[in-house]
Amino acid sequence: GAVVSQHPSRVICKSGTSVKIECRSLDFQATTMFWYRQFPKQSLMLMATSNEGSKATYEQGVEKDKFLINHASLTLSTLTVTSAHPEDSSFYICSARDIGTGEGYEQYFGPGTRLTVT
Amino acid sequence: GQNIDQPTEMTATEGAIVQINCTYQTSGFNGLFWYQQHAGEAPTFLSYNVLDGLEEKGRFSSFLSRSKGYSYLLLKELQMKDSASYLCAVTVNYQLIWGAGTKLIIKP
Repeated sequence: GAVVSQHPSRVICKSGTSVKIECRSLDFQATTMFWYRQFPKQSLMLMATSNEGSKATYEQGVEKDKFLINHASLTLSTLTVTSAHPEDSSFYICSARDIGTGEGYEQYFGPGTRLTVT
Repeated sequence: GQNIDQPTEMTATEGAIVQINCTYQTSGFNGLFWYQQHAGEAPTFLSYNVLDGLEEKGRFSSFLSRSKGYSYLLLKELQMKDSASYLCAVTVNYQLIWGAGTKLIIKP
């Protein structure tokens, strides 16, 4: 149980285009999903917290107009990187909390999406 | 502010034991996670400590001292596949505050 999928796993796009990444909880409901970015040899950096049915909460320094997050259902959150630039190239990882567990502190991670902007 | 410290890199020998330490100073505390992350992959859950003491799970054990703001991950009978980064993360108000990770290199 507690499986989170991400699509696509890898994407290459041209500078100036937009890319959408999907995060799905396959066997549980997630009121809260998290989006992380990880640059090579660095730890995960939280970009935003996505809550079902409401606006995402962005971390300081993350442009909400550039990284659009939509959490329309209890099993799906999307991250759209708009007008992508080469510096946006990174490993994007989503995670989800299972509302069905007692404390709900554990986050289940998706496999990640490798974005390369040329 | 929130601060979590781990050694950047450690080296150990196959079959040996290694202890990876993590110290934290956070505004709150709900629990502490250890995750394993292989290069190019997402983190995978190893352990979760809420109360003080040692939690043993197979070859991996995790210890927590809340009064000292300290945890360690103990890996026994090291295997080559254990070469990975080990991330310590503290939960504060349902958010994970991450350490930078410890890269563990296993030598034959």
